[in-house]
Amino acid sequence: SQQGEEDPQALSIQEGENATMNCSYKTSINNLQWYRQNSGRGLVHLILIRSNEREKHSGRLRVTLDTSKKSSSLLITASRAADTASYFCAPLYTGANSKLTFGKGITLSVRP
Amino acid sequence: EPEVTQTPSHQVTQMGQEVILRCVPISNHLYFYWYRQILGQKVEFLVSFYNNEISEKSEIFDDQFSVERPDGSNFTLKIRSTKLEDSAMYFCASSEADSGSYGYTFGSGTRLTVV
Repeated sequence: SQQGEEDPQALSIQEGENATMNCSYKTSINNLQWYRQNSGRGLVHLILIRSNEREKHSGRLRVTLDTSKKSSSLLITASRAADTASYFCAPLYTGANSKLTFGKGITLSVRP
Repeated sequence: EPEVTQTPSHQVTQMGQEVILRCVPISNHLYFYWYRQILGQKVEFLVSFYNNEISEKSEIFDDQFSVERPDGSNFTLKIRSTKLEDSAMYFCASSEADSGSYGYTFGSGTRLTVV
């Protein structure tokens, strides 16, 4: 399978706390991307990290990549109720055609 | 911020009927995609399109499905003879280059209900 495997499947936190979501993948990648999906809506691209990068920031988001462990993590700091959504990682494998595949995702609930 | 626009937002059709789902990708994007999501399930890849031809398709994308870019702006998905199991949200996406460099921009989707 070309999709990433997200962990945990569900996460419930209090507003203001940090949320950490993990992703594992199979073989070498060109990049890995994180997306968010609000209920009934399309996916929104959050951040892309290339295989030669180890960490990337975008606002309250921090993504890390460990190619030796074939894993990535997405950290949302100071979470808000509006962060409640499903989150997906999408690895782009080396040599793959340019399409992304999505796994089951992580359901994040942020309690006000 | 540029958007991918999909119409209609909701379509109800009878089994066996043909439907055309429409998408207007972002104007300078070159790669186009269709995905679908059956209620409660994951988002599944259907087809990718580049340079006026299909570059990859999934097992789901059988002979009942076709895509077209009839002019410089629209990108359509046609289902020739709909089945009950085609009921799903259909998402169009586009990207500026292949996803090696950029992410995808998704539309808000068309909810297709086959009755």
